[in-house]
Amino acid sequence: EAGVVQSPRYKIIEKKQPVAFWCNPISGHNTLYWYLQNLGQGPELLIRYENEEAVDDSQLPKDRFSAERLKGVDSTLKIQPAELGDSAVYLCASSSRTASSYNEQFFGPGTRLTVL
Amino acid sequence: AQSVTQLDSQVPVFEEAPVELRCNYSSSVSVYLFWYVQYPNQGLQLLLKYLSGSTLVKGINGFEAEFNKSQTSFHLRKPSVHISDTAEYFCAVSEPGNQFYFGTGTSLTVIP
Repeated sequence: EAGVVQSPRYKIIEKKQPVAFWCNPISGHNTLYWYLQNLGQGPELLIRYENEEAVDDSQLPKDRFSAERLKGVDSTLKIQPAELGDSAVYLCASSSRTASSYNEQFFGPGTRLTVL
Repeated sequence: AQSVTQLDSQVPVFEEAPVELRCNYSSSVSVYLFWYVQYPNQGLQLLLKYLSGSTLVKGINGFEAEFNKSQTSFHLRKPSVHISDTAEYFCAVSEPGNQFYFGTGTSLTVIP
């Protein structure tokens, strides 16, 4: 079974430029998460999707960040314009909704963004 | 919201020695508890989880953790570490149906 796929793995851009990250979750997983992981920190949730609906985007800085999951499968996270402080690893995770209140999250390898 | 504290940012340990990585969380009626491992340039991999039942949880790679409700702790242990255990370890907490809250991580370095 293929895991969560993210691309690109690394991205270097200059500040004020736009950037986009792509995530393809595990097949059949209807819940998709985007996390931000700063250096030396744990992941912090940016947005959570149930199918194509963003059900929790309270931590997403909406002035410059946007995300979409148009067909309820893969997702794109965009930053425009990027700032120096956006340098971090952006992790995508997915889970399958079950009757249990706990759904294990499977993480992708992440995209490491460097803003110069 | 939950908060998760990992007291040790870095833990060096000699190969084949035992190790304990500490995790404390803010109190709640009921929580789910997790330990994840992150190898360099990789995503997070679930080591073990506590949902309910026995307070001693066994995970992959010989790791185990014990849930202590009175001390709101979920410390991770391994009786004998290997070089390949060198990685970043994250404790995470969630309330049923809610989002995950991760600690700041503990960098485990196994010394030959």
